[in-house]
Amino acid sequence: DAKTTQPPSMDCAEGRAANLPCNHSTISGNEYVYWYRQIHSQGPQYIIHGLKNNETNEMASLIITEDRKSSTLILPHATLRDTAVYYCIVSSGTNAGKSTFGDGTTLTVKP
Amino acid sequence: DTEVTQTPKHLVMGMTNKKSLKCEQHMGHRAMYWYKQKAKKPPELMFVYSYEKLSINESVPSRFSPECPNSSLLNLHLHALQPEDSALYLCASSPPGPGRLDTQYFGPGTRLTVL
Repeated sequence: DAKTTQPPSMDCAEGRAANLPCNHSTISGNEYVYWYRQIHSQGPQYIIHGLKNNETNEMASLIITEDRKSSTLILPHATLRDTAVYYCIVSSGTNAGKSTFGDGTTLTVKP
Repeated sequence: DTEVTQTPKHLVMGMTNKKSLKCEQHMGHRAMYWYKQKAKKPPELMFVYSYEKLSINESVPSRFSPECPNSSLLNLHLHALQPEDSALYLCASSPPGPGRLDTQYFGPGTRLTVL
């Protein structure tokens, strides 16, 4: 599976949009981009995933560049409860367990 | 039911003890996972069960023994652990279907301390 690169930390003001980038320049044509987050001392939480098209759900939006080499997770109106470590993972999604968690981005939402 | 449950929440054990961690899901998921997570580190995959068969063992020491009695239940049996095995142990499950096998739903974890 392709490797991902994320900034180690980011800050965001409460109520503003949080834009979390992820580089995955070696992504293959059949690999999806998945995003998870982990709030302190809890289990990771699935947020969203996508293949080519941009995706949106009740939690976030996922923007994937046309060449698929990078993506951005957008939390439209960040709250203090969105403070967490955010993980970007690339995987084909067809073989259970083939994806691995990198170091992620620690997002701190400030009042 | 849309959650993964894990018991116990906390466990303290000595190096000679035998204990088990339990994980349960009733979402019809056919892949289940055990992860180990040390403080300030990402989760590390230990085992994967697919349709109740062990499909991945990430070179985990034999003092950790997984078991999948049925499609809803996953156990991790612990024996002769070392203090460095102290960590948060996470269970996850994922649904079948293209692109969905990595849509993992995690439990809250068991915080294990080995004395």
